[in-house]
Amino acid sequence: DAKTTQPPSMDCAEGRAANLPCNHSTISGNEYVYWYRQIHSQGPQYIIHGLKNNETNEMASLIITEDRKSSTLILPHATLRDTAVYYCIVRSRGGKLIFGQGTELSVKP
Amino acid sequence: DAMVIQNPRYQVTQFGKPVTLSCSQTLNHNVMYWYQQKSSQAPKLLFHYYDKDFNNEADTPDNFQSRRPNTSFCFLDIRSPGLGDAAMYLCATSRDLAETQYFGPGTRLLVL
Repeated sequence: DAKTTQPPSMDCAEGRAANLPCNHSTISGNEYVYWYRQIHSQGPQYIIHGLKNNETNEMASLIITEDRKSSTLILPHATLRDTAVYYCIVRSRGGKLIFGQGTELSVKP
Repeated sequence: DAMVIQNPRYQVTQFGKPVTLSCSQTLNHNVMYWYQQKSSQAPKLLFHYYDKDFNNEADTPDNFQSRRPNTSFCFLDIRSPGLGDAAMYLCATSRDLAETQYFGPGTRLLVL
């Protein structure tokens, strides 16, 4: 499974959009981009995933570049409860979830 | 609500004393996973069950075992916990190997 690179930390003002980048330059054609987050002392929470097209659900939007080498998770109106570690994971269908170090997002009032 | 349940949330055991952590699910998913997450590290897969088939990760120590008596329950047994086994243990489930995994809240294990 391809490796991902994320910034170790980011800040975001409450109410603003949080844009979390992820690089996955070695992604192959059958690999999906998954995003999970982990609030302190809780289990990881599934957010969204995609293959090629942009995806949106009630939690977030996922924008994948045309060459699929990078993606951005967008939380449109960040709240204090969105403070968490966000993991970008590239996974083949049926493959393992291999967590990297993620991005620690701090939403500040 | 359908969910993944882990009990207890906190478990204290003594060095060398066997301990069992439990996970149950109401999702009727075929696959159940156990992950270990040490402090300030990312979760790491230990093993998974696809139905009754057990799949161990190559680097999972022999000290860690698992049982799945039925679809709903899966147990993690640590035969002789060492201080280095103190961690958060996470259970996850998925409908199939290709499907999204959903995690429980975790059990934090302390070894004294």
